[in-house]
Amino acid sequence: DAMVIQNPRYQVTQFGKPVTLSCSQTLNHNVMYWYQQKSSQAPKLLFHYYDKDFNNEADTPDNFQSRRPNTSFCFLDIRSPGLGDAAMYLCATSRDHVYEQYFGPGTRLTVT
Amino acid sequence: GENVEQHPSTLSVQEGDSAVIKCTYSDSASNYFPWYKQELGKRPQLIIDIRSNVGEKKDQRIAVTLNKTAKHFSLHITETQPEDSAVYFCAPRAGGGADGLTFGKGTHLIIQP
Repeated sequence: DAMVIQNPRYQVTQFGKPVTLSCSQTLNHNVMYWYQQKSSQAPKLLFHYYDKDFNNEADTPDNFQSRRPNTSFCFLDIRSPGLGDAAMYLCATSRDHVYEQYFGPGTRLTVT
Repeated sequence: GENVEQHPSTLSVQEGDSAVIKCTYSDSASNYFPWYKQELGKRPQLIIDIRSNVGEKKDQRIAVTLNKTAKHFSLHITETQPEDSAVYFCAPRAGGGADGLTFGKGTHLIIQP
C-alpha cells in the first residue's frame, strides 16, 4: 500500500556524472515536491509542481532540474553532481486544498 | 519568506516526563502549523497540525498550542516513551495549500530510560 515511492533508495554517482532520481505516487495528488536533506539538517525545498506548472525556489542551483511527465511521476535530474550534493532527496505530494504533505522514503545520494 | 526558529536544538528528558518544543515564525500570514517527526534514516511524518483559527489541538499524548499574537507554537509530548526519541521539525506555512514547507532546524529529542 505504498503511497509515495522513490527509486532507487540508494544511489552512488561520480562527480560530474548526471544522475536522475525517480518519484511516483498512487494518491493522485496534483502537487509534487522535491526536498534536499543534508546530514543533520532540516529538509530544504528545491522546487515543486502544481499540476504541470513548475515552481522553482529562488536559491535552488541551476544544476538541479525536474520533470513531471504525468500526474503520477516526477523526476529530479542533477546535471553535474558535486560532492556538496550528497544528501537525502525526499519527494512529497499533496492536494492543493489539503495542507498535509506525504513524504516518500527518500533516495540517499552519494557522490564519489 | 518565512523565518523559522526552533528551540531547543536538543532535549533530553526522563522516560515518563513531558517534553515541550517551541517554534517561532516571522510571517504573520502563516495559517498552518504542523509538526513532523523524523526517526533516523526515515521519512518525516506528520504527527499533529493546527490551523490558525484554533488555539490548541490534542491527540492522545501529543498536543500543539498556538499563540498567533506572539507568532509561536509549541509541541507538547506527555508521558514520554522510548519510541518518542527522534528529530522533530516545525514547518509553519502561509498561503495556499500548494506551497512547499519551510522547516525549522529541528529538535533532537532523547528519552532517557
